[in-house]
Amino acid sequence: NAGVTQTPKFQVLKTGQSMTLQCAQDMNHNSMYWYRQDPGMGLRLIYYSASEGTTDKGEVPNGYNVSRLNKREFSLRLESAAPSQTSVYFCASSEEARTNYGYTFGSGTRLTVV
Amino acid sequence: KNQVEQSPQSLIILEGKNCTLQCNYTVSPFSNLRWYKQDTGRGPVSLTIMTFSENTKSNGRYTATLDADTKQSSLHITASQLSDSASYICVVTVNTGFQKLVFGTGTRLLVSP
Repeated sequence: NAGVTQTPKFQVLKTGQSMTLQCAQDMNHNSMYWYRQDPGMGLRLIYYSASEGTTDKGEVPNGYNVSRLNKREFSLRLESAAPSQTSVYFCASSEEARTNYGYTFGSGTRLTVV
Repeated sequence: KNQVEQSPQSLIILEGKNCTLQCNYTVSPFSNLRWYKQDTGRGPVSLTIMTFSENTKSNGRYTATLDADTKQSSLHITASQLSDSASYICVVTVNTGFQKLVFGTGTRLLVSP
């Protein structure tokens, strides 16, 4: 009963390096999301995938790309990391991208860009 | 602008005591309001979801209330336990068809023995 699994849990990057954050869910959910959480701010949506084969921008998409690899997996890529991308990243999933459905969150990836 | 404000920012209570956390929102059009618990180093976990027509919902020792007229919600924790130490986040969903969640910054609760 894993729910939403994120890898890695911690990562340190140098400015300009690239990396991909992985997310997988085992609940057969259609919709998946990437959020970032910064001190003193609420979680902010980076990208989401309402269903397999679709992706859309959220509030703060600049500097990121995503891939919905299949129904289970949704990855987030930083092509050229910047210190402003230092944050905790959460992946989440829900049955549908409509109202009143609950979200399940992963445990997060803590990323530091130096 | 859609906003969710929570108070207090932080709170310390003794084990066994009750407490109430507050949430005020300016979100339109409103769909539902959620409370999440986030342990340190973990992702948020859902406690309750309330729609416009619901004014109270319980989950064990957690009871959430919603006043849609005044755009206020509260989360009441009864007989607190050490494991209740966490951040509690109020989240309001904007009704755009797609679930646009507006997150508060959370109340950090510490339950002291």
